[in-house]
Amino acid sequence: GNSVTQMEGPVTLSEEAFLTINCTYTATGYPSLFWYVQYPGEGLQLLLKATKADDKGSNKGFEATYRKETTSFHLEKGSVQVSDSAVYFCALSDRTGTASKLTFGTGTRLQVTL
Amino acid sequence: DTGVSQDPRHKITKRGQNVTFRCDPISEHNRLYWYRQTLGQGPEFLTYFQNEAQLEKSRLLSDRFSAERPKGSFSTLEIQRTEQGDSAMYLCASSSTDTGSDTQYFGPGTRLTVL
Repeated sequence: GNSVTQMEGPVTLSEEAFLTINCTYTATGYPSLFWYVQYPGEGLQLLLKATKADDKGSNKGFEATYRKETTSFHLEKGSVQVSDSAVYFCALSDRTGTASKLTFGTGTRLQVTL
Repeated sequence: DTGVSQDPRHKITKRGQNVTFRCDPISEHNRLYWYRQTLGQGPEFLTYFQNEAQLEKSRLLSDRFSAERPKGSFSTLEIQRTEQGDSAMYLCASSSTDTGSDTQYFGPGTRLTVL
């Protein structure tokens, strides 16, 4: 079956540090890949996505590249801010069935300090 | 576009009681999904509708759970005879196949606590 594995948190960084959150996946077919973010007290928000191999998704300074050969979709940001503190979820969408239901990782909590 | 809304945001109930949650998707989104998220975990798929038809149900959706989308717009999720293990955040998402991307947009969730 499909699965997503994320690095465990929490990840604690100082402001302006470089961020990497690792994500690897197992899937049949050719899934789309997503990063969602959940800020404290809020719902899941789509951060970025990539729909095919070698695509790079980017938004708000975050980026991730769909690597089929390593089945990975690592999230990066060059300089984090305190406002980036949240839980980040990697997910895949399996399009081989009747619906594009999402399979999520367990989430990685990021805490950015001054 | 007001986004996906869910009601109530919080529900506290006693074991054995029935509860019902509502989800209003983004207008004209033809697909609607329900997920459940427990503490420290990612959301898990429960069921999905395309228009008014319920097309897939997860094995997580026991007989005590029922979902409807009677007119292809809002949806309800009912849990009968609640158990403590039902305590979780229930998330609704919607998407449109018309755009070709089928990206899912989530609501704020309903947090259920079963005492």
